[in-house]
Amino acid sequence: GAVVSQHPSWVICKSGTSVKIECRSLDFQATTMFWYRQFPKQSLMLMATSNEGSKATYEQGVEKDKFLINHASLTLSTLTVTSAHPEDSSFYICSASGQLSYEQYFGPGTRLTVT
Amino acid sequence: RKEVEQDPGPFNVPEGATVAFNCTYSNSASQSFFWYRQDCRKEPKLLMSVYSSGNEDGRFTAQLNRASQYISLLIRDSKLSDSATYLCVVNKAAGNKLTFGGGTRVLVKP
Repeated sequence: GAVVSQHPSWVICKSGTSVKIECRSLDFQATTMFWYRQFPKQSLMLMATSNEGSKATYEQGVEKDKFLINHASLTLSTLTVTSAHPEDSSFYICSASGQLSYEQYFGPGTRLTVT
Repeated sequence: RKEVEQDPGPFNVPEGATVAFNCTYSNSASQSFFWYRQDCRKEPKLLMSVYSSGNEDGRFTAQLNRASQYISLLIRDSKLSDSATYLCVVNKAAGNKLTFGGGTRVLVKP
């Protein structure tokens, strides 16, 4: 299957700082990328959907000014958690899909801990 | 009502036994269906797509019942390595967002 990478795989930051997470599709062009968040013992919750070259569409309850998403190319999307707080500590996972595919290919996830 | 519902389990399964569980979805416009597997602290990985006619992949069999809006997964001859959370996933259209169920936890024991 297609390969999606995420960087970093884990990060610890202090409260009030910003953290950027990268999601790359390594062997295909991802017209759409998705960002999810997963809290312990819960399922994945979609945060936003981004299409290359356009603004991301955020799910209800997700603050677009806090979670900045950029999808500047067909192989890279970034999620920036601005002014992170301990409650933002979570497992952030991206996925990518091609134009004609129903399948999404998931990155390995980024574990964020805010102290 | 949640869009995709699953029994959270856990299903405790003796090694070598068969286990089956369902997932129901509320949106009749759903087009494609998947089972993903997620291990603890890892990303979900696609186990299999679910086709209208039902499909089998080794020890795993998936069924789709559009009339009743549920899909099922059956695991035969369970292995210890089958212990994981199985996520039922539904998609309305190509390139569209996936909707995840809460997952069914399966624990295979010797």
